Amino acid sequence: EVQLVESGGGLVKPGGSLRLSCAASGFIFTDYNMNWVRQAPGRGLEWVSSISSYSAYIYYSDSVKGRFAISRDNPKNTLSLQMTSLRADDSATYYCTRDRDVTGTGRMTYWGQGTVVTVSS
Amino acid sequence: DIQMTQSPSSLSASFGDRVTISCQASQDIKNYLNWYQHRPGTAPKLLIYDASNLETGVPSRFSASGSETNFSLTIGSLQPEDVATYYCQQFDDFPFTFGPGSKVDI
Repeated sequence: EVQLVESGGGLVKPGGSLRLSCAASGFIFTDYNMNWVRQAPGRGLEWVSSISSYSAYIYYSDSVKGRFAISRDNPKNTLSLQMTSLRADDSATYYCTRDRDVTGTGRMTYWGQGTVVTVSS
Repeated sequence: DIQMTQSPSSLSASFGDRVTISCQASQDIKNYLNWYQHRPGTAPKLLIYDASNLETGVPSRFSASGSETNFSLTIGSLQPEDVATYYCQQFDDFPFTFGPGSKVDI
């Protein structure tokens, strides 16, 4: 059974940093591209970042580019999101997602339960 | 960036009703379009991929169609568990973008 378990969320002051992690299990981690998607309170879903299976290709939304860094540790089956220079509008539930297929990207079939990030003084 | 719009933003229907939600892309995205269902307090769920393909395990009352810039999702007979917000998402190009969502109520 595919499982994605996020951790690392919490309360952080504006300008601060936070590192999110996603522990993956139930599948061959190196076969799949992975993503982060967020939902701010009362708002819709927003794609944040994607990383290919061996980290050769990395993409960010304009809203986080230069502040967030996605990475993966394949031997540990872990996806991470290092967030710096956090702003109030980064407050959201952050979801780790796995692509549907080993080929291609963007079809996000598996989602974790999310971890909540609150940026407030 | 490719902009996604949806209509209606919300709707209220009765059990058994046929419900249709529309999604429009700001440019041709071929069939690189997914539909997700998001119930409060749960993780979003992929319903439809590649514009018209039903994801494994999704009830057959869900169907979708479209290509290029115009897409639609239909719930053939609305059930209580279908109360949710529905999002379209393009993956033709980065940045991936979601529509603003369509909230379905009973």
